[in-house]
Amino acid sequence: GDSVTQMEGPVTLSEEAFLTINCTYTATGYPSLFWYVQYPGEGLQLLLKATKADDKGSNKGFEATYRKETTSFHLEKGSVQVSDSAVYFCALSRTGFQKLVFGTGTRLLVSP
Amino acid sequence: GAVVSQHPSWVICKSGTSVKIECRSLDFQATTMFWYRQFPKQSLMLMATSNEGSKATYEQGVEKDKFLINHASLTLSTLTVTSAHPEDSSFYICSARASGTDISSYNSPLHFGNGTRLTVT
Repeated sequence: GDSVTQMEGPVTLSEEAFLTINCTYTATGYPSLFWYVQYPGEGLQLLLKATKADDKGSNKGFEATYRKETTSFHLEKGSVQVSDSAVYFCALSRTGFQKLVFGTGTRLLVSP
Repeated sequence: GAVVSQHPSWVICKSGTSVKIECRSLDFQATTMFWYRQFPKQSLMLMATSNEGSKATYEQGVEKDKFLINHASLTLSTLTVTSAHPEDSSFYICSARASGTDISSYNSPLHFGNGTRLTVT
């Protein structure tokens, strides 16, 4: 079945450091890929998405590119802030937002 | 923006008792709500899809008699963990989609609750 694998956290960075959170997936066909973020005390929010190969999703300085050849969707940000501290979930779906398949989540801790 | 309220945020119960978790859409109507569960260091897994006015659809391996889902109105879905056991201890999250949106569209995102941490002793 479909699955998503994320790097295990926590990821600890200093403010303004470069961020990469790895995500790879296993799925037949061409799923859509997502990154969700959960800030402390809040529900998951959609951060960005890519619906086909080579698409780049971007939002709030975060980017991720749908790489079909490596089945990856790594999340990157050039300069993290303390306010980016949260748990990040990679996910895939075949039909809109129905039946999202999530990874384990990666906690990011950014210190000033 | 659309808000989904989940209650309680955390609960501790004794083995053998039942626990009810509520998921409310505060400023929109939700025909469809989803219930997820996350065990420590594991993925967030879809348990069931809750449809207003009809029976929930459960994912393979999820016991419908143990995890009772009621979606009696367009703004409320409840998950009841019956006869809870320590192995049911987990993080439960609900999400909701606004009514009238295309389920296959990427322009109608899900709105998630904050989650409920259940500990069964």
